Amino acid sequence: DAKTTQPPSMDCAEGRAANLPCNHSTISGNEYVYWYRQIHSQGPQYIIHGLKNNETNEMASLIITEDRKSSTLILPHATLRDTAVYYCIVRNNQGGKLIFGQGTELSVKP
Amino acid sequence: NAGVMQNPRHLVRRRGQEARLRCSPMKGHSHVYWYRQLPEEGLKFMVYLQKENIIDESGMPKERFSAEFPKEGPSILRIQQVVRGDSAAYFCASSPEGGRPYEQYFGPGTRLTVT
Repeated sequence: DAKTTQPPSMDCAEGRAANLPCNHSTISGNEYVYWYRQIHSQGPQYIIHGLKNNETNEMASLIITEDRKSSTLILPHATLRDTAVYYCIVRNNQGGKLIFGQGTELSVKP
Repeated sequence: NAGVMQNPRHLVRRRGQEARLRCSPMKGHSHVYWYRQLPEEGLKFMVYLQKENIIDESGMPKERFSAEFPKEGPSILRIQQVVRGDSAAYFCASSPEGGRPYEQYFGPGTRLTVT
């Protein structure tokens, strides 16, 4: 599975968009970009995933660059409850283990 | 549809005792994963099971740890002769057969404390 690089921490004002970047320059053609988050003391939560097109669901949007070497997770209107560690994971779409890096600790402030 | 259930949520064991952690996957899910999160560290994969089979145990410590997912009943992660270094949060996740196996749904975790 390809490695990812994320900033260790970010702040965001409540109500504003949170844009979380992820670099995955060694991604291969059959690998997807997945995002999970872990709110303090809880189990991780699946957010969204994509291959090469931008994706949107009820939680977030995922923007993947044309060369697929990086992506951005967007929380359009961050709330205090979005404070969590966000993990970007690159892997194929089969079953199997998830490899979690250090993630980005997002703090949403009032 | 109930989510992934884990019990107990908190478990205290003395050094040398056995710990049994249980995981009931979501209805219709036949794949189970166990992850461990040591204090102030990231999540680490331990083992991946399908009904009655271990698919990938590359993250399991070689000794004292075992996992099973029987045909009937929950998945069990068993730690024999626990040591203080086993104190951690243990998370179970499940995913469906077919469909979207890459989506894993996590339980609330079991926090093991070894005294």
